[in-house]
Amino acid sequence: NAGVTQTPKFRILKIGQSMTLQCTQDMNHNYMYWYRQDPGMGLKLIYYSVGAGITDKGEVPNGYNVSRSTTEDFPLRLELAAPSQTSVYFCASSPGTSGSTDTQYFGPGTRLTVL
Amino acid sequence: GQNIDQPTEMTATEGAIVQINCTYQTSGFNGLFWYQQHAGEAPTFLSYNVLDGLEEKGRFSSFLSRSKGYSYLLLKELQMKDSASYLCAAMDSNYQLIWGAGTKLIIKP
Repeated sequence: NAGVTQTPKFRILKIGQSMTLQCTQDMNHNYMYWYRQDPGMGLKLIYYSVGAGITDKGEVPNGYNVSRSTTEDFPLRLELAAPSQTSVYFCASSPGTSGSTDTQYFGPGTRLTVL
Repeated sequence: GQNIDQPTEMTATEGAIVQINCTYQTSGFNGLFWYQQHAGEAPTFLSYNVLDGLEEKGRFSSFLSRSKGYSYLLLKELQMKDSASYLCAAMDSNYQLIWGAGTKLIIKP
């Protein structure tokens, strides 16, 4: 099992550009999450999904969009990139069999810089 | 509001014991998680406590007091590979994790 994979690993965007961060998990997990991690700050939840076709906003959803058409994939879309979106983005998944208190498994992260 | 507090940085000696404290304030409570994060890498799960008391797992133990809104992670027989950030996260009534900023642990030989 590869676990949770994310692409790209690094990306530099210009202000106003758009991009999609890819996330795939091969563990057949129901729940998937997108977080951002800024230096000296805790992880902040952007969006999450409890199953294919179901998504919901987290703490900091503005400027982002998600979709969940399959169990495996949970892409994060940035529209009109802004310097405030410079961060490390982590995708995570959890089984969902014990509800939401399951352990979350994280991907390696995408380091995004917006200039 | 919801808040997690943990020290920014701690230093300890190889072979010693270190305790990393975490206090939390959340709307409802569904458990306390500890994750380890090496520099430039993803967080990895260490422990989960939902009942009061101590959970031991090898060299690592985690303690929870729900009445005090307090947890600690205890690392014994420290090794150089334990140099990392340790993230405390409390799960609120909506089953969302509220994360602390992490404690950077520096191990000296």
